[in-house]
Amino acid sequence: GAVVSQHPSWVICKSGTSVKIECRSLDFQATTMFWYRQFPKQSLMLMATSNEGSKATYEQGVEKDKFLINHASLTLSTLTVTSAHPEDSSFYICSASTPLGPGNTIYFGEGSWLTVV
Amino acid sequence: AQSVTQLDSQVPVFEEAPVELRCNYSSSVSVYLFWYVQYPNQGLQLLLKYLSGSTLVESINGFEAEFNKSQTSFHLRKPSVHISDTAEYFCAVSEGGGGNKLTFGTGTQLKVEL
Repeated sequence: GAVVSQHPSWVICKSGTSVKIECRSLDFQATTMFWYRQFPKQSLMLMATSNEGSKATYEQGVEKDKFLINHASLTLSTLTVTSAHPEDSSFYICSASTPLGPGNTIYFGEGSWLTVV
Repeated sequence: AQSVTQLDSQVPVFEEAPVELRCNYSSSVSVYLFWYVQYPNQGLQLLLKYLSGSTLVESINGFEAEFNKSQTSFHLRKPSVHISDTAEYFCAVSEGGGGNKLTFGTGTQLKVEL
């Protein structure tokens, strides 16, 4: 079946540095990918919608200059946390879907743990 | 705007007992409904979904959920739980018409005990 892979699964970075998380659709072309953030014991909050070849659409309250999203190909979207701070520590999950339409399925990546020290 | 409410943050249950995890939603348009399961330190796995047709949907591991439009609910049930069902369960909704942006509930921690 379709698989969405995230890399890295775990990352620790120093405060003030930037870190990139990749989301790949392994056996299908994903025209749209979504990035979510999950704090411990809380629900997933949508950060942005990433469309291949265009600028990402950010949800209200999400800093687009801090969370850079690039969707350069139909199988890869990246999330870069710039100038990371400890409050950015979280679980980041991406999802990808086949072209829009009834019955399409959304696939989630395994998630990436970011710890900023 | 759509929203999802999971009233129960934690549900403890003994093994082999039945369980129901509640989910209610609100939306001004037709919706697709989903249940996802998250095991510790892992991503989300789709458990089951309702898109159209029969209001009762089933998963391969014995869970079922019924879409009730009049009550705007999509409760998840299993007649006999197993220790391995211990996980966080999220109800989610997306707007009908092909939208894939999911709105999640706050999750319900199912803890199965011996």
